Amino acid sequence: NAGVTQTPKFQVLKTGQSMTLQCAQDMNHNSMYWYRQDPGMGLRLIYYSASEGTTDKGEVPNGYNVSRLNKREFSLRLESAAPSQTSVYFCASTIWGELFFGEGSRLTVL
Amino acid sequence: GIQVEQSPPDLILQEGANSTLRCNFSDSVNNLQWFHQNPWGQLINLFYIPSGTKQNGRLSATTVATERYSLLYISSSQTTDSGVYFCAAAGNAGNMLTFGGGTRLMVKP
Repeated sequence: NAGVTQTPKFQVLKTGQSMTLQCAQDMNHNSMYWYRQDPGMGLRLIYYSASEGTTDKGEVPNGYNVSRLNKREFSLRLESAAPSQTSVYFCASTIWGELFFGEGSRLTVL
Repeated sequence: GIQVEQSPPDLILQEGANSTLRCNFSDSVNNLQWFHQNPWGQLINLFYIPSGTKQNGRLSATTVATERYSLLYISSSQTTDSGVYFCAAAGNAGNMLTFGGGTRLMVKP
């Protein structure tokens, strides 16, 4: 039982490049989330998906897009990466309110 | 939205000591959780505790919803307890968790 799996774990991009962070959960959870964690800023919600087929903006959605591909998978896309998007990204899923995180993806934008 | 504040921001303990971490929230909650982020960056779910008291080994947590705070107790601390402890809460008006700023704990051998 892998829980929440994120790929890639590390990525370095140049300004303007695009990339997609992948997330999959095998716990049959309905809701999935993308957070970013920056030094001194704690965890901030980027986007979430309450159920398959729905997505909504969180606190800091600008510069990101998401896709809830099916119940298991929720991807985060950076269309044109900026240095301000250098961060650690966490995917999470929840059922009955209890949140479970993936191991994180460290993204550096040069 | 709901505001979540944690104290103290930093804590240094000698191995074997006990500690209490506090989480204050600004509104009624229907969801409150404690997480531990270890030095490798992993976020581990410790407690789901919107009210009442729970214990898991050397860790326990109490949420007093009517007074808008939660406490995380660590007894007989070990070096492996080091890391950052986050509290997150969601109010009755919505279901999005808001995270506090964390308490950074260092346990010295």
